[in-house]
Amino acid sequence: EVKLVESGGGLVQPGGSLRLSCAASGFSFSRYEMNWVRQAPGKGLEWVSHIRVRAISKYYADSVRGRFTISRDNSKNSLYLQMNSLRPDDTAVYFCARERDSTSGNDYWGQGTLVIVSS
Amino acid sequence: NFMLIQPHSVSESPGRTVTLSCTRSSGNIGSNFVHWYRQRPGSAPTSLIYDNNQRSSGVTDRFSGSIDSSSNSASLTISGLRTEDEADYYCQSYDSDSRVRVFGGGTKLSVL
Repeated sequence: EVKLVESGGGLVQPGGSLRLSCAASGFSFSRYEMNWVRQAPGKGLEWVSHIRVRAISKYYADSVRGRFTISRDNSKNSLYLQMNSLRPDDTAVYFCARERDSTSGNDYWGQGTLVIVSS
Repeated sequence: NFMLIQPHSVSESPGRTVTLSCTRSSGNIGSNFVHWYRQRPGSAPTSLIYDNNQRSSGVTDRFSGSIDSSSNSASLTISGLRTEDEADYYCQSYDSDSRVRVFGGGTKLSVL
């Protein structure tokens, strides 16, 4: 069974940092491209970042570029999102998602982890 | 980057058929695949349709997807509506130029 479990969310002050993790199981993690997607309270889905299988190529939404860094450790079946210089508008549930094939959409999603940026 | 524009809300009666639209603001809708997700309150999104018209595993054939070049839009059609189909529906595509993934704003479907 494919499982994606996010962790690392919480309350952080503006300007602070947080590192999210996504533990993958039930599939060959190293063979799949992965995404982070977020959802602010009461809002729609917003794509955040994408990483290819060997982590050579990484892509970011304009809203987070330069502040967030996506990474992966294929030996640990884990995906990460390092978030720096956090702002109140980064408050959201952050989902990790497996991409079916490159650009073929996300076939599995985690349940998400809530990040609240507030003083 | 282009945008994917979805109606904010749609209502339809049980047993009827509804079509949700997703219009690409610039560029050709056929240039990149469109995918559809359903999200029920308090839950993660789930995949319904990928690559314009392919049903994800376990998805009933009441759900179908298509694209229309004349309107530069993609559509998700749900037939035989049930109250359990009430949810938010999102389309998503890929911007080849900037290599970013793009979500539509989502449509809230009410079945009543």
